[in-house]
Parts: sequence; structure tokens; C-alpha cells
Amino acid sequence: DAGVTQSPTHLIKTRGQQVTLRCSPKSGHDTVSWYQQALGQGPQFIFQYYEEEERQRGNFPDRFSGHQFPNYSSELNVNALLLGDSALYLCASRGSVGTEAFFGQGTRLTVV
Amino acid sequence: DQQVKQNSPSLSVQEGRISILNCDYTNSMFDYFLWYKKYPAEGPTFLISISSIKDKNEDGRFTVFLNKSAKHLSLHIVPSQPGDSAVYFCAAEANQAGTALIFGKGTTLSVSS
Repeated sequence: DAGVTQSPTHLIKTRGQQVTLRCSPKSGHDTVSWYQQALGQGPQFIFQYYEEEERQRGNFPDRFSGHQFPNYSSELNVNALLLGDSALYLCASRGSVGTEAFFGQGTRLTVV
Repeated sequence: DQQVKQNSPSLSVQEGRISILNCDYTNSMFDYFLWYKKYPAEGPTFLISISSIKDKNEDGRFTVFLNKSAKHLSLHIVPSQPGDSAVYFCAAEANQAGTALIFGKGTTLSVSS
């Protein structure tokens, strides 16, 4: 079982550019969430996808958008990048309600 | 406004002794709590969880205690090992809905041999 896989592992972008991050959930998991972890902080919830729909959204601007595909994999898109978007972006998947979320290794995004 | 607080940024413990990591929460709707461990350059790894209908859950060296009236939970690691050195995050969820996990800022545990 490959667990949750994310790509790429590292990324450097320029202010104003757009970025797409990818996530494949753990086998058997149909729910994917994205989190942003800034330096010295805990992960902050961005949004969650279930059955290809955004089910819940955290306090992030519309520049952050996502998508879930029929195979449950997911993408996180960030438009008009700001320096403050530099962070570790984590993808998490879970199966049934009341079970733990499994995290990928994250994508380190640096905006210059 | 932080709904999950880990007030100790760091903790140092000797190998073989007990490590106690604390977490406080403010939202009464939280009913499922989890602890994650994170090594540098890796994603968080699930350790142990507890539902609000329980006050204790054990898994090997790890025990989580929940005090609902105080809105406080703690993670006990006994005995502590050098490999336990990592950042520990407390997380909470409302209504066991399987949606957003709300994390604390983490506590860095250092276990010396």
C-alpha cells in the first residue's frame, strides 16, 4: 500500500504565478483534504473533497481552488501567488467517518 | 482565535522517563481528538485518537487522557525513547463528521539518551 502520495515534493514559483499540486489518496479512501502548514504553525485546513464535490472549506481566499477526480485523486490550485503562500502543503485522506486521516509527505512551496 | 492550543512549544525528557504532552480546546462541539507525530521532511503520522465518549485510550506506550469538563487532553508516552523525538500535534474534529481537523501549533519533544 503506497499510502498518500503527493507531487511534486518541492516547488519554487514567482509571485503572481499559478501552481497545481497533486495528491493520490491511500487505497480505499474516498475523501481528500488539503492543509497548509506555515513555519512554526500547525496544519490549517483549506478544503475537503468527497464524491468530486467540495464538502467543506476553511478560511482561505478564492485563489485557492481544488478538484477531485473519479479515481479520488485530487489537485490543489493556487492562483496569483503571494509570498505568504510559501508553506508546506499537506494532503490527507480518510475512509469512513470516525477514522484517522492519513497524510502525505507534503509539497514544499516557495514563492519568490 | 485558536480553538486548539498546545501551550508548551517544547519538552525535554530523559530516555526511559514519562513524556506528558498537553492540549487544551475551546470548542464544545469537538468530539473526536487525535495526536499526530511529525518528523522533519515527512507528513504527520497518526499516533492515537480518542472519542468524547471515553476518557482514556491506550495503545502500547501511548495513552491519551480526555477531561471534557476541563476541555483538556494529554498524551503520555511511557517509557520515552530517543526515536520519539519529533513534533507532536494535537487535533480535534466536531461532530465526528470526518471533515476538518483543527490542529494546535505543536510541541517539539526531545528525548535524550
